[in-house]
Amino acid sequence: KAGVTQTPRYLIKTRGQQVTLSCSPISGHRSVSWYQQTPGQGLQFLFEYFSETQRNKGNFPGRFSGRQFSNSRSEMNVSTLELGDSALYLCASSQGIRGYTFGSGTRLTVV
Amino acid sequence: GIQVEQSPPDLILQEGANSTLRCNFSDSVNNLQWFHQNPWGQLINLFYIPSGTKQNGRLSATTVATERYSLLYISSSQTTDSGVYFCAVMSGGAQKLVFGQGTRLTINP
Repeated sequence: KAGVTQTPRYLIKTRGQQVTLSCSPISGHRSVSWYQQTPGQGLQFLFEYFSETQRNKGNFPGRFSGRQFSNSRSEMNVSTLELGDSALYLCASSQGIRGYTFGSGTRLTVV
Repeated sequence: GIQVEQSPPDLILQEGANSTLRCNFSDSVNNLQWFHQNPWGQLINLFYIPSGTKQNGRLSATTVATERYSLLYISSSQTTDSGVYFCAVMSGGAQKLVFGQGTRLTINP
């Protein structure tokens, strides 16, 4: 079966702009979570959605937001981009707490 | 919150060698997973192992939950094993993974 699909793979944005990243989970998986990976902070949890509801949220400013649609696809949005938002953004889908499957990520560069 | 520490941070070995990666965590967990991050950035799930021992080919993992640590063993290393290995845990009711800083493994031919 198809894995977790993230689009786009690469993105270059200018400071102050906003960006939307997309994640399509494995068919049948209702939980989608997002992580940010930077060299300095490592892998950090952003938020988790289940059946269109945000169940958990990490310690990120309100510029970071997300949503989940009825087909379980999820988007995350970052507004007013800062240089420090440059990172690899990873999405994972799961059934329960076992077996997380990650996508290939979106590498965002803010210039 | 829960803290996860991995050691060593870097490991360089020759092809064919065996390696042991360690993950210590500061509180009880209900989920522990090992991941391998390939050069393209994707995290590959290796094991779901909140306790006990599992094996998959040349890889095996052991988690001693009462002592709050987990070990990942790689035998007869191959160059394709190179990459960063992460331990991630989940504690309490929040469904979020807390990652360690990773161990960067380099296997030289």
